[in-house]
Amino acid sequence: DGGITQSPKYLFRKEGQNVTLSCEQNLNHDAMYWYRQDPGQGLRLIYYSQIVNDFQKGDIAEGYSVSREKKESFPLTVTSAQKNPTAFYLCASSVLAGPSSYNEQFFGPGTRLTVL
Amino acid sequence: KQEVTQIPAALSVPEGENLVLNCSFTDSAIYNLQWFRQDPGKGLTSLLLIQSSQREQTSGRLNASLDKSSGRSTLYIAASQPGDSATYLCAVRDNAGNMLTFGGGTRLMVKP
Repeated sequence: DGGITQSPKYLFRKEGQNVTLSCEQNLNHDAMYWYRQDPGQGLRLIYYSQIVNDFQKGDIAEGYSVSREKKESFPLTVTSAQKNPTAFYLCASSVLAGPSSYNEQFFGPGTRLTVL
Repeated sequence: KQEVTQIPAALSVPEGENLVLNCSFTDSAIYNLQWFRQDPGKGLTSLLLIQSSQREQTSGRLNASLDKSSGRSTLYIAASQPGDSATYLCAVRDNAGNMLTFGGGTRLMVKP
């Protein structure tokens, strides 16, 4: 089965703790993305990566960090510096980034993070 | 900075009705526009993607139009069904092709 997997589905964190969200894809896509969704709102881009060992900040990167050591994996760490981390986090991937007919994004099922 | 607005924020209709969801964007210099469906607590499913050079795209009971010069797109759903109940999001991609900017979504409920 080809697709994007995110784990865990639900995550609880105490204030002051770092936590890492997993995103894996077996679609052989070059580009991967992390978005945050707050209740009743659209998605906002946190980070994206066009190629292994490279990533760029999105609109709301403060308090987050990422790595892209393997093509299929793009984990997101929510650090203690993120002041309001409770949200729904979505990972996506596309064949390519940039102006191309291959930049259509496909999404994973999401991880709901709650800070206690 | 690009801003995307979706009106209405919520919509409730009886089964069988034809309906239109609206999306507007402030910067007409877009590469393409995409409509998504999101079920509660789930990820996004792509419905239609319209390139900036296109006027509309159709898939089954769905038809999306794009008027780039006026900064508007509409999603037309024909003969709505209870299974269409979900949140519908539109997103525009900038000309560099990297960034998707999302609207806040329209939450649709179709009553049997």
